[in-house]
Amino acid sequence: AQSVAQPEDQVNVAEGNPLTVKCTYSVSGNPYLFWYVQYPNRGLQFLLKYITGDNLVKGSYGFEAEFNKSQTSFHLKKPSALVSDSALYFCAVRDPTGGSYIPTFGRGTSLIVHP
Amino acid sequence: ETGVTQTPRHLVMGMTNKKSLKCEQHLGHNAMYWYKQSAKKPLELMFVYNFKEQTENNSVPSRFSPECPNSSHLFLHLHTLQPEDSALYLCASSQEMDRERYEQYFGPGTRLTVT
Repeated sequence: AQSVAQPEDQVNVAEGNPLTVKCTYSVSGNPYLFWYVQYPNRGLQFLLKYITGDNLVKGSYGFEAEFNKSQTSFHLKKPSALVSDSALYFCAVRDPTGGSYIPTFGRGTSLIVHP
Repeated sequence: ETGVTQTPRHLVMGMTNKKSLKCEQHLGHNAMYWYKQSAKKPLELMFVYNFKEQTENNSVPSRFSPECPNSSHLFLHLHTLQPEDSALYLCASSQEMDRERYEQYFGPGTRLTVT
């Protein structure tokens, strides 16, 4: 079985400060991991993914995420937050050995960047 | 037209009405999904079609009826809905059998209100 947890419902950060949105996962094999962002009244938008290779992956809008197998984490980061980064962020996991290709999504974390 | 489109964007219907939601993907993907997103609830997977065959039906009430006539189009037929069915309905697509393209692309959603 696969599962993903986003332990924070909301993250607050001041503009210009670094931000981190946390994600931990549980799979039986090697995970495929994804981050998505949702702006108000919009669908989810793909940000970045980890399939294999370098543990640090870079994505859209200056976001990056680090895959940490020992801690089963895939935290989303950005060195300097913008007010326009305020949105809902979802982490998702797929277990390619689990027999299902359907991803499991976290509950989402609301990121609020204060001016 | 690019990406994933959904129509209508907003829909208000009475409990005795019949309506349909439409989704079209212009990405050449072979899998399509319907999700329900309610306030303060996790994203709920409803149906999955892979190569036009329904592969998942996540215990969805029969008042929701999906249809996938080809790999580019997906419909969700609605009848005798309940007020608790009011939500944002999201369509997504992905390319299976290619792990480099497993990420999902979402449409903007249909905001459904059942009165």
